[in-house]
Amino acid sequence: TQLLEQSPQFLSIQEGENLTVYCNSSSVFSSLQWYRQEPGEGPVLLVTVVTGGEVKKLKRLTFQFGDARKDSSLHITAAQPGDTGLYLCAAYLIQGAQKLVFGQGTRLTINP
Amino acid sequence: EAGVAQSPRYKIIEKRQSVAFWCNPISGHATLYWYQQILGQGPKLLIQFQNNGVVDDSQLPKDRFSAERLKGVDSTLKIQPAKLEDSAVYLCASSPRLAYTGELFFGEGSRLTVL
Repeated sequence: TQLLEQSPQFLSIQEGENLTVYCNSSSVFSSLQWYRQEPGEGPVLLVTVVTGGEVKKLKRLTFQFGDARKDSSLHITAAQPGDTGLYLCAAYLIQGAQKLVFGQGTRLTINP
Repeated sequence: EAGVAQSPRYKIIEKRQSVAFWCNPISGHATLYWYQQILGQGPKLLIQFQNNGVVDDSQLPKDRFSAERLKGVDSTLKIQPAKLEDSAVYLCASSPRLAYTGELFFGEGSRLTVL
């Protein structure tokens, strides 16, 4: 059973379209991160959200942390081929060891 | 600043053989992680070190996997004997300290194929 459920697992859209990727859990997290991973490379951090309801923007990417700190979304406006990659949400559990757990990822393909 | 270094990048072995992966974290980073990423899945934490002490190894298959971080710097992950289901990318990551908001810096990974 995945602690963090991402949806959709695969998404293929045309350049210029908008999209939203979701990360859900029944657990409460102290913080949540989004990483992007390209083939043959390790994940690279995009953003960290800490406060419930927090919204952060990174150019055309908008990240939101749910009010209850159990879920998050990533919205991309006017997607470009350079956005292609594996998007991973990850979260620190609120109790116990400070370990970062990952979702299974959303594989995004932007077609020119 | 140099990133996280891992070697080898690729390794192909037969089942029941052994393999070792090496990781050199970013200089000064106290926390080091080994993750296993099976094709099509997200990374799964195997073991986490703070300096040279183990913080969490609850998902490390200890009958076949072992890891050490001598002197609190570089680390080695060993698999002996390997099984077919160990085929995966082994990612090493480091962070400056334990923190509930800390960024992890990943290496490029070591891809293992077990035949």
